[in-house]
Amino acid sequence: KQEVTQIPAALSVPEGENLVLNCSFTDSAIYNLQWFRQDPGKGLTSLLLIQSSQREQTSGRLNASLDKSSGRSTLYIAASQPGDSATYLCAVNQGGSEKLVFGKGTKLTVNP
Amino acid sequence: DTGVSQDPRHKITKRGQNVTFRCDPISEHNRLYWYRQTLGQGPEFLTYFQNEAQLEKSRLLSDRFSAERPKGSFSTLEIQRTEQGDSAMYLCASSLGVGVGSTDTQYFGPGTRLTVL
Repeated sequence: KQEVTQIPAALSVPEGENLVLNCSFTDSAIYNLQWFRQDPGKGLTSLLLIQSSQREQTSGRLNASLDKSSGRSTLYIAASQPGDSATYLCAVNQGGSEKLVFGKGTKLTVNP
Repeated sequence: DTGVSQDPRHKITKRGQNVTFRCDPISEHNRLYWYRQTLGQGPEFLTYFQNEAQLEKSRLLSDRFSAERPKGSFSTLEIQRTEQGDSAMYLCASSLGVGVGSTDTQYFGPGTRLTVL
């Protein structure tokens, strides 16, 4: 059974700092990995999708990497801003199934 | 707005009542998914449709839960005889869903928050 773990559970940083969020998964037979952002009481916003054949994806100040063989992904946020404060969720699309398996998320607070 | 929409956004009901939620996916998307999220947890998969066919169901989807997508467009999720443990955010997502394998981004709606008293 696929399990996704995100560390740390919460992170508080001053504005302008670069930061890394970690995601690990137990079964490397995945189609892709997605990073999402969730604001309190809201739905999920897709940030980046990395196919299993890719090593990284970039969008603006965000860079996500994938090491499928070791079951790890990182989300790098450059020059963090207070507007980046949210919960960041990692999810893997398991081979042979259409479902996403999510971690519990990392709650990020960027202080002005 | 061309994103995924869900209705209602909030539902408060008494234990034992039936509730129905609606999801309208992005118009050209063939796949539609339902997830459930409780406080402090990531979303958990419930079921998904490819067009009108329900192709996968989680063990979380007990016999009190039923989902339909009759014309391959909008979907409904019904919960019968609600229990307090059903209180959660119910999220709908859609994806393009063409070709073999799951390589599409899933786009989520705002969710329906259910409170069972």
